[in-house]
Amino acid sequence: QVQLVESGGAVVQPERSLRLSCVGSGFSFRSYAMHWGRQAPGKGLEWIAFISYDGREKYYSDSVKGRFTISRENSANTLFLQMNSLRPEDTAIYYCARDDVYSLNYWGPGTLVTVSS
Amino acid sequence: QSALTQPASVSGSPGQSITISCTGTKSDVGAYNYVSWYQQHPGKAPKLLIYELTNRPSGVPDRFSGSKSGNTASLTISGLQAEDEADYYCCSFTTANTRVFGGGTKLAVL
Repeated sequence: QVQLVESGGAVVQPERSLRLSCVGSGFSFRSYAMHWGRQAPGKGLEWIAFISYDGREKYYSDSVKGRFTISRENSANTLFLQMNSLRPEDTAIYYCARDDVYSLNYWGPGTLVTVSS
Repeated sequence: QSALTQPASVSGSPGQSITISCTGTKSDVGAYNYVSWYQQHPGKAPKLLIYELTNRPSGVPDRFSGSKSGNTASLTISGLQAEDEADYYCCSFTTANTRVFGGGTKLAVL
């Protein structure tokens, strides 16, 4: 069965960096585009980044463009999110999700990032 | 990239039908039929309910249906059940090749 598991969440100070990982299993990881989304405490879902199956196309939300970078290592079935210049408003649960027909079909359980001094 | 507009809350009794609206613009909901809907129970990851406006993934009951008129998409849940009580989110592909979610709707089954 399709499984996605995020890791790397932590408590980090403002302006610092953090890298999240997401390992996929149960499917051909290299054949699917992937997304990162997030959910601040008590708030709604926010889409933040997309990467095509081969890594050639990347798109970002305005809220993270220029600070966050999505990437993937297909040989390791792993998706990454490099987060720089973190702000308190980036505090959220971060989810990775598999793309299927322009939707986010399978989601991981999420990893919590807290930005606080 | 403004969030799509959803009602903050809706409610219904078991067995009834409810509809959740999702209003966007000609650059997202109005531009494509790539609207999807998600259900999220407290403390859980979201679950895909509807993709490509009207299609249900395997395992999603046919009580859940989607539609669209102009810049507004809708999710209808018929035959409400207690386990349908959750948060619901719409999401649209945009002309900038990004995605945008709605603000979410809390469904109460009274």
